[in-house]
Amino acid sequence: EAGVVQSPRYKIIEKKQPVAFWCNPISGHNTLYWYLQNLGQGPELLIRYENEEAVDDSQLPKDRFSAERLKGVDSTLKIQPAELGDSAVYLCASSLGAASNEQYFGPGTRLTVT
Amino acid sequence: KQEVTQIPAALSVPEGENLVLNCSFTDSAIYNLQWFRQDPGKGLTSLLLIQSSQREQTSGRLNASLDKSSGRSTLYIAASQPGDSATYLCAVSLMEYGNKLVFGAGTILRVKS
Repeated sequence: EAGVVQSPRYKIIEKKQPVAFWCNPISGHNTLYWYLQNLGQGPELLIRYENEEAVDDSQLPKDRFSAERLKGVDSTLKIQPAELGDSAVYLCASSLGAASNEQYFGPGTRLTVT
Repeated sequence: KQEVTQIPAALSVPEGENLVLNCSFTDSAIYNLQWFRQDPGKGLTSLLLIQSSQREQTSGRLNASLDKSSGRSTLYIAASQPGDSATYLCAVSLMEYGNKLVFGAGTILRVKS
């Protein structure tokens, strides 16, 4: 069974430029999460989807970040414009959906903003 | 607000040693607790998941315990190997927010051969 797929794995951009990350969850997983991981810290939740609905986006900086999950499968996280402080690893995870289910993580996208 | 703390922040041990990693959390209203492993530049690999009604889980040389009332979990690694070198993260799943995971900062483990 394929795991969570993310692309690109690495991205270097200049500040004020836009950037987008893509995630394909495990087949059949209707819950999808985007996490942000700064160096030396644990991941922090940005947004959670149940199918195509964003049910928890309280930690998403909505002035520059946006996300979508069309058709309840793949998801895209966008930053526009990027700032130096956005340099981090962006992780996508998925689960079957019930509250007690295990989350499976993708390899992440390492973003460097110069 | 749920806070998760991991001690120690870093640990270096000789190969073959048994070791314990600690995790504490402030709010006992959790669905479950997960231990993850993260290798440099990689994503997270789930090691063990303990439901809130369970006391421990075992997988190979790994054993994780959960004491929800005191807000503590330990990850025991038996007969450590150089391949165990990685960052170990614990995370609790919050009841109030569905399956939102709150992570600790991790313990960086180095096993010397």
